[in-house]
Amino acid sequence: QVQLVESGGGVVQPGGSLRLSCAASGFTFSNYGMHWVRQAPGKGLEWVAFVRYDGSNKYYADSVKGRFTISRDNYRNTLYLQMSSLRAEDTAVYYCAKGAQQQLILAYWGQGTLVTVSS
Amino acid sequence: DIQMTQSPSSLSASVGDRVTITCQASQDISNYLNWYQQKPGKAPNLLIYDASNLETGVPSRFSGSGSGTDFTFTISSLQPEDVATYYCQQYDNLPLTFGGGTKVEIK
Repeated sequence: QVQLVESGGGVVQPGGSLRLSCAASGFTFSNYGMHWVRQAPGKGLEWVAFVRYDGSNKYYADSVKGRFTISRDNYRNTLYLQMSSLRAEDTAVYYCAKGAQQQLILAYWGQGTLVTVSS
Repeated sequence: DIQMTQSPSSLSASVGDRVTITCQASQDISNYLNWYQQKPGKAPNLLIYDASNLETGVPSRFSGSGSGTDFTFTISSLQPEDVATYYCQQYDNLPLTFGGGTKVEIK
């Protein structure tokens, strides 16, 4: 069965950096687009970034463009989100999500990892 | 960006009631609309894709309809395990955007 396990969250100071990982199993990782979606405490869902199955194209929300980088390692079946110049408003639970055959449908989600940006 | 307006933001209904949530897109998105359920403290879960297609394993009391700019999500007979927040999401264009959510509670 599909499993997505995020890690790397924690507390970081404003302006700092953090790298999130998402370990995937139960499917052929290299065949599917992958996403990061975040949810601030008590708020709704916000799409963050998407990478195509082969890493050839990457797309970002305007709120993170130039600060966050999505990447993937299809040999290690792992998705990454490198976050830099972090701000208080980046505080959220970050979910990785697997695309369906139509890769913009978020078919499976991990359990999330909490990032807190605070001094 | 395409704005998704979801209503109501919350509702309270009795077990067995029919529950309806609406989602309106700021422009025509054809049927590129999904619905997710998020139970408290859990990750979202895909229920309906392409406006009206039930994801495998999802109970048939859930349904969706609509196209263009106006969409509806229905629970035909509310069950206690349906307590959750429901989100619509468009995928006609990037960035993907979500509605603000509808919190469903039992009266």
